[in-house]
Amino acid sequence: DQQVKQNSPSLSVQEGRISILNCDYTNSMFDYFLWYKKYPAEGPTFLISISSIKDKNEDGRFTVFLNKSAKHLSLHIVPSQPGDSAVYFCAASAHPGGGNKLTFGTGTQLKVEL
Amino acid sequence: DTEVTQTPKHLVMGMTNKKSLKCEQHMGHRAMYWYKQKAKKPPELMFVYSYEKLSINESVPSRFSPECPNSSLLNLHLHALQPEDSALYLCASSQDFEDAAERDTIYFGEGSWLTVV
Repeated sequence: DQQVKQNSPSLSVQEGRISILNCDYTNSMFDYFLWYKKYPAEGPTFLISISSIKDKNEDGRFTVFLNKSAKHLSLHIVPSQPGDSAVYFCAASAHPGGGNKLTFGTGTQLKVEL
Repeated sequence: DTEVTQTPKHLVMGMTNKKSLKCEQHMGHRAMYWYKQKAKKPPELMFVYSYEKLSINESVPSRFSPECPNSSLLNLHLHALQPEDSALYLCASSQDFEDAAERDTIYFGEGSWLTVV
């Protein structure tokens, strides 16, 4: 049972354009969401997070949007840069009781082309 | 400094060997984690330590034995592994696990690539 889903395994975007990565979840207890970026042979690197009491959080080129009613979140990267090419995982945790036990999505491979 | 250091980066071991993976963080974090990641799959939680005590064991086989000698160190002892245990093992840490009122971020190390032959 995949509680966090990233339905697009890959995404290709031109440099300078916007990248939009999507994530859906099924567990209504999830109340905290994170995006991680992962290069091959490295551990995931934290990018940005959002609490369920918000619908938007912004940090530089990265913005995360949360639509609780649709159980959907998205990560916007603008402008996209070649160094953004990596696998992006969304992750979710539940409170109370879930602490920081993260459930990860399956990942989206982003390729930013020149 | 948001750094979690894992050693070794690569490990090849036979099915009868005993080896250990090590993890260290100096961020004062009180929660530490072991995750396992297979190719093209998301990381999967194995163990969580909170304040040096095992808080979560996600039904991991006993051939994997975690140890938290102090708040900065986390080990994963490996014995009698199977080839299907070959994967990237990720250590992570965060400020606190039990205090869920304040959400915090989990920081990952670069991982240890394990190959069981």
